[in-house]
Amino acid sequence: ETGVTQSPTHLIKTRGQQVTLRCSSQSGHNTVSWYQQALGQGPQFIFQYYREEENGRGNFPPRFSGLQFPNYSSELNVNALELDDSALYLCASSLLDTQYFGPGTRLTVL
Amino acid sequence: SQQGEEDPQALSIQEGENATMNCSYKTSINNLQWYRQNSGRGLVHLILIRSNEREKHSGRLRVTLDTSKKSSSLLITASRAADTASYFCATDARSNSGYALNFGKGTSLLVTP
Repeated sequence: ETGVTQSPTHLIKTRGQQVTLRCSSQSGHNTVSWYQQALGQGPQFIFQYYREEENGRGNFPPRFSGLQFPNYSSELNVNALELDDSALYLCASSLLDTQYFGPGTRLTVL
Repeated sequence: SQQGEEDPQALSIQEGENATMNCSYKTSINNLQWYRQNSGRGLVHLILIRSNEREKHSGRLRVTLDTSKKSSSLLITASRAADTASYFCATDARSNSGYALNFGKGTSLLVTP
């Protein structure tokens, strides 16, 4: 158990819809990162938040956005869903170098 | 794009045998980490090795790092069926704009009784 939780566990959406995924970080961790993992691939970095500010971004379009709250929980929002957005979405919280991952949200876009 | 590449892509061994997985990467790193993932669930952190370290142990795990060859290996000794999982190496990409982990595609390990 890493102390990082994510909700929901599974989600099914249709193309063009919007989705919000949630993450609760490990207590005391001020940094949260989000990753997308397509089937058979390694996780790909989406973005990172540090003390409620975006602190880095991977090669993802602006329709992927996020928020981090004062209690270190965070959200990943994806607008205008595309079929290729179907993946496991992982959040990870950290204080120093080691990132601790949640169980993920499996998003299916039909 | 993926920074690390694990080798082999898949590995099948019997309980009690040792499993060795390799990782190669392309750019300079501050540290390298190994993670385990069971059946498409969350990643579990196994071990972190810094760029100035050459070898590190944790229980049945031994990790080596060769920065001159830009490669690392993970050895699992006396494997168990519960070690069946996908294993990923991740290198850091620290910059002024954050700290991302770059993962390879992973090695799928199957340990049979």
